[in-house]
Amino acid sequence: DAKTTQPPSMDCAEGRAANLPCNHSTISGNEYVYWYRQIHSQGPQYIIHGLKNNETNEMASLIITEDRKSSTLILPHATLRDTAVYYCIVRVALGSARQLTFGSGTQLTVLP
Amino acid sequence: DSGVTQTPKHLITATGQRVTLRCSPRSGDLSVYWYQQSLDQGLQFLIQYYNGEERAKGNILERFSAQQFPDLHSELNLSSLELGDSALYFCASSTAGGAGTEAFFGQGTRLTVV
Repeated sequence: DAKTTQPPSMDCAEGRAANLPCNHSTISGNEYVYWYRQIHSQGPQYIIHGLKNNETNEMASLIITEDRKSSTLILPHATLRDTAVYYCIVRVALGSARQLTFGSGTQLTVLP
Repeated sequence: DSGVTQTPKHLITATGQRVTLRCSPRSGDLSVYWYQQSLDQGLQFLIQYYNGEERAKGNILERFSAQQFPDLHSELNLSSLELGDSALYFCASSTAGGAGTEAFFGQGTRLTVV
């Protein structure tokens, strides 16, 4: 699975959009980009994933560059409850699901 | 609520003892994963089971073992416990097949070894 690079920490004002970047320059054509978050000591929570097209769900949007070497997770209106560690993970999705390999992630702090 | 249930939520035990952590996956999910998260450490993958069979192994100690039963629930057994085994242990489950399969995590078991 490709390695990812994320900034260790970011701040965002409440109500503003939070844009979390992720570099995955060695991504292969069959690897997906996943985003999870972990609110302090809780179980990681799935947010969104994508292959090459931009994706949006009720939680967030995922923008993947055309060359797929980087992506951005966008929380459109961040709230204090969005304060968490956000993990960008790249992995192959096979017939039987493979494990997720978590890096250090980005600590997002939403400020009042 | 992810649909993944882990019991117990908290466990305090002494060094040298053995404990069993239990995980009930989401209905229909065939894969179960176990992760360990020590204080100020990242999530470390331990082991994966798929439909009752071991599928992948990560950084799991020989003192630890796991299994997945016919009803798909899984147990993680930790023996000869040491202080350094104190951690959060998470279970996750996912469906088999299909592209872009996501995993759903339980709320974890906090193990304290004293």
